[in-house]
Amino acid sequence: KAGVTQTPRYLIKTRGQQVTLSCSPISGHRSVSWYQQTPGQGLQFLFEYFSETQRNKGNFPGRFSGRQFSNSRSEMNVSTLELGDSALYLCASSFRRTSTDTQYFGPGTRLTVL
Amino acid sequence: EDQVTQSPEALRLQEGESSSLNCSYTVSGLRGLFWYRQDPGKGPEFLFTLYSAGEEKEKERLKATLTKKESFLHITAPKPEDSATYLCAVQATWNDKLIFGTGTRLQVFP
Repeated sequence: KAGVTQTPRYLIKTRGQQVTLSCSPISGHRSVSWYQQTPGQGLQFLFEYFSETQRNKGNFPGRFSGRQFSNSRSEMNVSTLELGDSALYLCASSFRRTSTDTQYFGPGTRLTVL
Repeated sequence: EDQVTQSPEALRLQEGESSSLNCSYTVSGLRGLFWYRQDPGKGPEFLFTLYSAGEEKEKERLKATLTKKESFLHITAPKPEDSATYLCAVQATWNDKLIFGTGTRLQVFP
């Protein structure tokens, strides 16, 4: 079974630009969560989508947004990039959100903001 | 506020030298506690899920245990390939998101 895939793997942007990251969950998984990982803050929850609806949101500014498509694929967008947005962005998928399902992570997208 | 604290931050072991990693948590109702392994530049790899105090799970040289306040990841006779950052996360009954600790960076030398 193929794992969680994320594209692109690496991205370099400049301040003020916007970026879109993509995540394809494991086949059959309907829940997708996004996390930001930085050396100083560790892994922090951004948001979770299930059945195309945002079900949960972390403490990030409105510049961070996401969506989920009918095939469970998800995208996250960051507008007006800041230097502090440089991080590894991780996507995790699970089968369903109504029980304690294990979240399986993708390899991440390394975003560098110059 | 739900919180996870991992210790030590870093651990250096000689090959074969057993040790334990600690994960202390505060959560308003535990749904599950998760252990992940993360290699540099990669996403976290799932290891274990523990649901209730007293539960234990094993996989090769790793054994995870859970009490009402903390979890331990015991590493028996580690090998250099066990070198990685080990992450602990909790999921509360009222929220599906994972709350992660900052991890323990383990280095095993031959």
